[in-house]
Amino acid sequence: NAGVMQNPRHLVRRRGQEARLRCSPMKGHSHVYWYRQLPEEGLKFMVYLQKENIIDESGMPKERFSAEFPKEGPSILRIQQVVRGDSAAYFCASSPRIVAGASTDTQYFGPGTRLTVL
Amino acid sequence: DQQVKQNSPSLSVQEGRISILNCDYTNSMFDYFLWYKKYPAEGPTFLISISSIKDKNEDGRFTVFLNKSAKHLSLHIVPSQPGDSAVYFCAASAETGANNLFFGTGTRLTVIP
Repeated sequence: NAGVMQNPRHLVRRRGQEARLRCSPMKGHSHVYWYRQLPEEGLKFMVYLQKENIIDESGMPKERFSAEFPKEGPSILRIQQVVRGDSAAYFCASSPRIVAGASTDTQYFGPGTRLTVL
Repeated sequence: DQQVKQNSPSLSVQEGRISILNCDYTNSMFDYFLWYKKYPAEGPTFLISISSIKDKNEDGRFTVFLNKSAKHLSLHIVPSQPGDSAVYFCAASAETGANNLFFGTGTRLTVIP
């Protein structure tokens, strides 16, 4: 029973390069969430996606960050022209299909990708 | 704006005793609350949750209590075990929102053998 998978686990980039983080949700889950954790802080919501749709990107920085969850393949979080302040742990979570009016389904997290920008 | 607060960054407890981790929130629209446990270099692991229609939920050694009027919840672990040593995050969401979770900053629990 594979859980949420993220790769790479560690990613080092120089300033100005692009970072691509991948997330494969648990089997049967169609909702994906991305969170960022800065040192000594809690996780901060970035974006919520369903297959081929961005549902809520209110936590995403307006520039350089984008996310997708294509019909086939993993969800991708892309950071263009990385800066040192992007260094953080990026976590992906997934949950099953949510039925309208029901309580929020539990989100299950992947192991995270630790991004270091030199 | 930190809508979920964990005011104790760390807690040490003797093995076998009770651990009580606290969490406060400010948004009255929150109606679903979760506790996650996190080891270094790993993702958060779901522990236990509670809906706002309840004031208590129990699962083995873990019990979560919710006081809606005080906007406060707590996680009780009894008896505490050395393997419980980790960072514990409280999280909350609003049913009418996009289901994203708001996290506290975490409490590092150390269970002393």
